[in-house]
Amino acid sequence: GESVGLHLPTLSVQEGDNSIINCAYSNSASDYFIWYKQESGKGPQFIIDIRSNMDKRQGQRVTVLLNKTVKHLSLQIAATQPGDSAVYFCAENPVTGNQFYFGTGTSLTVIP
Amino acid sequence: DAGITQSPRHKVTETGTPVTLRCHQTENHRYMYWYRQDPGHGLRLIHYSYGVKDTDKGEVSDGYSVSRSKTEDFLLTLESATSSQTSVYFCAIRDGLNTEAFFGQGTRLTVV
Repeated sequence: GESVGLHLPTLSVQEGDNSIINCAYSNSASDYFIWYKQESGKGPQFIIDIRSNMDKRQGQRVTVLLNKTVKHLSLQIAATQPGDSAVYFCAENPVTGNQFYFGTGTSLTVIP
Repeated sequence: DAGITQSPRHKVTETGTPVTLRCHQTENHRYMYWYRQDPGHGLRLIHYSYGVKDTDKGEVSDGYSVSRSKTEDFLLTLESATSSQTSVYFCAIRDGLNTEAFFGQGTRLTVV
């Protein structure tokens, strides 16, 4: 399968600070990327996506950055809140495939 | 939860018995996926479907089979359950390639 990895398995941040979660991917032909949030006991929930023709995309309190040169993806969460505590996954969709591949996840803990 | 229902939500079964998990959607989405989630491995694709009676293998398909006889249902069968198949199983759907996927709540399967 494809290799989608995360630099840090755990991340702790103070409430109100910004969080940055990183992801590396290996397939330069991938053209669509997704970030998911998974809370304990629940299924993954879509946060934001980005296509390979973009470098940056913003949502509500979240920003995804894509650096195709180094095959790196990041998720920035502004003013992190306790409700943001969860495991975050990146996923990539190769341009030629029906499948999408997940990284192993980063556990984010927000300290009140 | 985007009209996805997984059943059962929890199951305990004995080694060697067949088990069928069901994924039901009300969104009329073309693509359906079965993933398993294990500690340290993130989400790994078992099988997926790109239409009625159209299925293909994923990364970890050994010991599993699937069927999709109608758009709304995607069944995952463990032909002879083993302890290594103890896991949380997630179904996902999406309408097209390069679009976000929506996940069900998961089925926790324990093989004893």
